[in-house]
Amino acid sequence: DQQVKQNSPSLSVQEGRISILNCDYTNSMFDYFLWYKKYPAEGPTFLISISSIKDKNEDGRFTVFLNKSAKHLSLHIVPSQPGDSAVYFCAASFSGYALNFGKGTSLLVTP
Amino acid sequence: DAGVIQSPRHEVTEMGQEVTLRCKPISGHNSLFWYRQTMMRGLELLIYFNNNVPIDDSGMPEDRFSAKMPNASFSTLKIQPSEPRDSAVYFCASSGQTGRRNEKLFFGSGTQLSVL
Repeated sequence: DQQVKQNSPSLSVQEGRISILNCDYTNSMFDYFLWYKKYPAEGPTFLISISSIKDKNEDGRFTVFLNKSAKHLSLHIVPSQPGDSAVYFCAASFSGYALNFGKGTSLLVTP
Repeated sequence: DAGVIQSPRHEVTEMGQEVTLRCKPISGHNSLFWYRQTMMRGLELLIYFNNNVPIDDSGMPEDRFSAKMPNASFSTLKIQPSEPRDSAVYFCASSGQTGRRNEKLFFGSGTQLSVL
């Protein structure tokens, strides 16, 4: 059973606007959350992470928000750029164990 | 560093044949992971090694799948016999984290497997 869920398979956003990608999880033991980005024919690459002791982490145009009570996290990209078009995977782990990934959300940023 | 190196990039085989996927992790990394990506299930963890020892293979679909890590610089994932439902992209990833954290994985480019 999927413990990390990304319920939107795809998202289309205009260049310059905000992209919001969502992720839900079921296991309350998860204590570390990450977002990975994947281009076609390449492996996923690490984008940004957040510990369960925080509710926000920012890195340039990318911000991850964590709502532990709702078991929900989101990735905000502001402003969105065409180069951001990729598949984004949400991932979670507990006690340093191997990552559980969601199915991914395909983001398309149009000019 | 060249990153995680996987071979082959593409593999097309017939049902019943043996398939061997190869992975060279980043030098110095002590954890290695095999993941499989499909449309239906996304990225699934198949098996996880730490210091060349398999820690968790509960994600391996069935006995047809086996993985080895004979040394710190090489791992294989074998499927014997292969079936059409094994068609997927197989990723190898490594991590250099010690202690509690294994989160920041570095992925290879994957092997696209097609079983006809």
